[in-house]
Amino acid sequence: GAVVSQHPSRVICKSGTSVKIECRSLDFQATTMFWYRQFPKKSLMLMATSNEGSKATYEQGVEKDKFLINHASLTLSTLTVTSAHPEDSSFYICSARSARGTLYEQFFGPGTRLTVL
Amino acid sequence: QKEVEQNSGPLSVPEGAIASLNCTYSDRGSQSFFWYRQYSGKSPELIMFIYSNGDKEDGRFTAQLNKASQYVSLLIRDSQPSDSATYLCAVNEGYGNKLVFGAGTILRVKS
Repeated sequence: GAVVSQHPSRVICKSGTSVKIECRSLDFQATTMFWYRQFPKKSLMLMATSNEGSKATYEQGVEKDKFLINHASLTLSTLTVTSAHPEDSSFYICSARSARGTLYEQFFGPGTRLTVL
Repeated sequence: QKEVEQNSGPLSVPEGAIASLNCTYSDRGSQSFFWYRQYSGKSPELIMFIYSNGDKEDGRFTAQLNKASQYVSLLIRDSQPSDSATYLCAVNEGYGNKLVFGAGTILRVKS
């Protein structure tokens, strides 16, 4: 149980284009989903927290107009990187918290590696 | 800014030995503590969580929590080469949903 999927697993795009990443909880309903970014040999950095049906809460320094998050249902959240640039190249990971799980436990998706040329 | 500190390592132990990973945190209001394992190029996977002071054992893993000292540790008994990974300590931020992650400790188990 508690499986989270992400799609795509890897994407390469040209500078200036937009990329959408999907995060799905496959066998549970996720009241809250989180989006992280991880640069090589660095730890996870929380970008935003999204609750189903409401606007995402972004961490300080994260541009909400650049990283659009939509949490339309209890099993799906999307992150759209708009007008991507090479500095946006990173490993993007989502996690989901179950409505029935332990209070703060998060289950991670497999991640999406974004390369912007 | 809430902080979680870990020694970056690498921590090298021989196969079969006990690996001890340590973590300190700054937020006294934290209630929940997690250890995640992350293999290179992969996303983190949850190993253990602990809420109460003391020890919690699960197979070869033991998590230890000391809230007074703001210290949490992970012991891995009978370490195997497959345990070689980066271990991330995570702490919930106050009473919120968010987890704050440490930078991780690289563990290398040599056969």
